[in-house]
Amino acid sequence: GAVVSQHPSWVICKSGTSVKIECRSLDFQATTMFWYRQFPKQSLMLMATSNEGSKATYEQGVEKDKFLINHASLTLSTLTVTSAHPEDSSFYICSAVNGRGRGAYEQYFGPGTRLTVT
Amino acid sequence: DAKTTQPTSMDCAEGRAANLPCNHSTISGNEYVYWYRQIHSQGPQYIIHGLKNNETNEMASLIITEDRKSSTLILPHATLRDTAVYYCIVRARDDKIIFGKGTRLHILP
Repeated sequence: GAVVSQHPSWVICKSGTSVKIECRSLDFQATTMFWYRQFPKQSLMLMATSNEGSKATYEQGVEKDKFLINHASLTLSTLTVTSAHPEDSSFYICSAVNGRGRGAYEQYFGPGTRLTVT
Repeated sequence: DAKTTQPTSMDCAEGRAANLPCNHSTISGNEYVYWYRQIHSQGPQYIIHGLKNNETNEMASLIITEDRKSSTLILPHATLRDTAVYYCIVRARDDKIIFGKGTRLHILP
């Protein structure tokens, strides 16, 4: 099946610094990628939709200047949390849509990245 | 907002069939029923999906009522590794996935 990876799997950073999370589709080209955030004991919340070569579309209430998304190629999207604060500590999960061929339109999820801001 | 309603939690004895219900009374004609699960601290895992016919794969079976307003996910022989949160989602094929609260399934030894 289609594989989506994330790097790093966990990261600890100091308050005020920025941290970048990578999402890669390993065996297919992803025309669209999504970023979700999940707080403890809560469901996944969609943050933004990322289309290759264009600006990301953010969900209501998500600060686009704080959560920078870049989808520079069909296999890579990055989420940068700028000026991180403890309240940004969360589990960040990406997903990728296979744009063509068998499995087209199916959404595959990465393993997640746990961010802790101290 | 999620378009589905699921029980908050369920218990099932190991080795028995786990039947997880989902209500989706406002489902549209072009929307599929998808099931994902999330084991603790992992990304969601695809289980199965269907439009109107019942579906079966190596993981589970999906039973969709004739009016498509509800469905049931069946794990035929539950094991401890099936302990997870199960999400029922309705979406058109090219729609983004919006997660509801899901059902927390506990498999009891």
